[in-house]
Amino acid sequence: DAGVIQSPRHEVTEMGQEVTLRCKPISGHDYLFWYRQTMMRGLELLIYFNNNVPIDDSGMPEDRFSAKMPNASFSTLKIQPSEPRDSAVYFCASSLREGRQNGYTFGSGTRLTVV
Amino acid sequence: AQSVAQPEDQVNVAEGNPLTVKCTYSVSGNPYLFWYVQYPNRGLQFLLKYITGDNLVKGSYGFEAEFNKSQTSFHLKKPSALVSDSALYFCAVRAPTDSWGKLQFGAGTQVVVTP
Repeated sequence: DAGVIQSPRHEVTEMGQEVTLRCKPISGHDYLFWYRQTMMRGLELLIYFNNNVPIDDSGMPEDRFSAKMPNASFSTLKIQPSEPRDSAVYFCASSLREGRQNGYTFGSGTRLTVV
Repeated sequence: AQSVAQPEDQVNVAEGNPLTVKCTYSVSGNPYLFWYVQYPNRGLQFLLKYITGDNLVKGSYGFEAEFNKSQTSFHLKKPSALVSDSALYFCAVRAPTDSWGKLQFGAGTQVVVTP
C-alpha cells in the first residue's frame, strides 16, 4: 500500500482565495482524521470521519473551513476564503478500528502558505 | 479534561548513549497512551502504545516506554541512540471516556543525536 496520500505537498495562495486539500486514506481503513500543525499551537485535530460520516468537527476553526468524505477512498478539506493565519501544515491520517492496534497512519502533509 | 505534557523542548544525546524522552499526562480513569515520531517533512509515524497489561511496552525501531500510574508518566526510552533517531517525538493520550478520535498530542520533543 502506498500509505496515506495527500495533495498537493505545497500550496501558496493569496488571501481570499479558495484552497482545497485532498487525501486518499489507506484502503480498508474506516477512520479518517484531519490535523493542522503550527509552531504556536502544535498538532490540532480539526475533524474526523468514521465510515465516511463526520463524527466530530469541533476542532474546525470557523465556518471558512469545511471537510467532506464522499467515499471511502477520498476526502477534502476546503478553506474559503483563506487567510494568512491559516498558514500551517495540514495532515490527513487514517486508521483501522480507531487505531487501537496500530495507531494512525499519517500522510506527508500539505504545507499551506497564505500570503 | 485530558492533557499531556512533554517537559523538554529538546533532548541532546550522543550516539550510543541511552535516550529518554519524557511524557506526563492528566486524565480521568485509565489512560490510553501513544508515542509517535516525525521526521523532517514527513507525517507522524506510530511507535508504540499502552492500552492495558504490562507496564513496559516495546515498539518500533528498538524503542520502549514504561507506563507509571503513580507518577502519571509514560517516558519513551531507547538503550542506545542512533543518529537516525534524530526527529520530533510526540506523546499522545486519550481518556477512556473519550472517542478514539480525541487523541490529545503533546507539544513534541526534538531529539538530536550527535555522532
